[in-house]
Amino acid sequence: AQTVTQSQPEMSVQEAETVTLSCTYDTSESNYYLFWYKQPPSRQMILVIRQEAYKQQNATENRFSVNFQKAAKSFSLKISDSQLGDTAMYFCAFMKHQTGANNLFFGTGTRLTVIP
Amino acid sequence: GAVVSQHPSWVICKSGTSVKIECRSLDFQATTMFWYRQFPKQSLMLMATSNEGSKATYEQGVEKDKFLINHASLTLSTLTVTSAHPEDSSFYICSARSGAGGPGELFFGEGSRLTVL
Repeated sequence: AQTVTQSQPEMSVQEAETVTLSCTYDTSESNYYLFWYKQPPSRQMILVIRQEAYKQQNATENRFSVNFQKAAKSFSLKISDSQLGDTAMYFCAFMKHQTGANNLFFGTGTRLTVIP
Repeated sequence: GAVVSQHPSWVICKSGTSVKIECRSLDFQATTMFWYRQFPKQSLMLMATSNEGSKATYEQGVEKDKFLINHASLTLSTLTVTSAHPEDSSFYICSARSGAGGPGELFFGEGSRLTVL
């Protein structure tokens, strides 16, 4: 079974500063995907960034980057130059890499508040 | 990117009635859709996997007779909460995979908030 753990229920950061959200996971799979999703107050889940486990290079998307440590099963999200629009719930998620239907296993989420 | 739309976005119903929630993939075909449930301030929990043309696969603990899922076409899946009770009040979210997305990427609907009085 796969489990995803987010140990920080809430975090806050000053606007323009950098914040890191933690995520660890447990799996016996050797190949998989990891994701960070953002859920703003509007409630629609938005993909922030994706990492494929077989890629050693950390994924980056503009102000968002990850620190993927496969051996440690750690997948943290760094948000640089935080903006007010970054205020949201952030979910770390895991998906097996296999053909056919695949569902996401979500962590419990971290509520991030960007303070003006 | 691909668009998934849910309707209604919110619904209030009386206890004992049934409510249907639709999930549509607007610009792609989805052979598989997923239905999640989210309680306030909690994570998304997978309820079932909806497969076009066949029966849904339910997660352990989810009552299939209470949460009826139908995936009659490649662009539409429906979740019907039968004989709803206040404890069924929740936020229901669907998702689907599109070939337009990156590897493993799922696209989510806006969610449907159900309140049972």
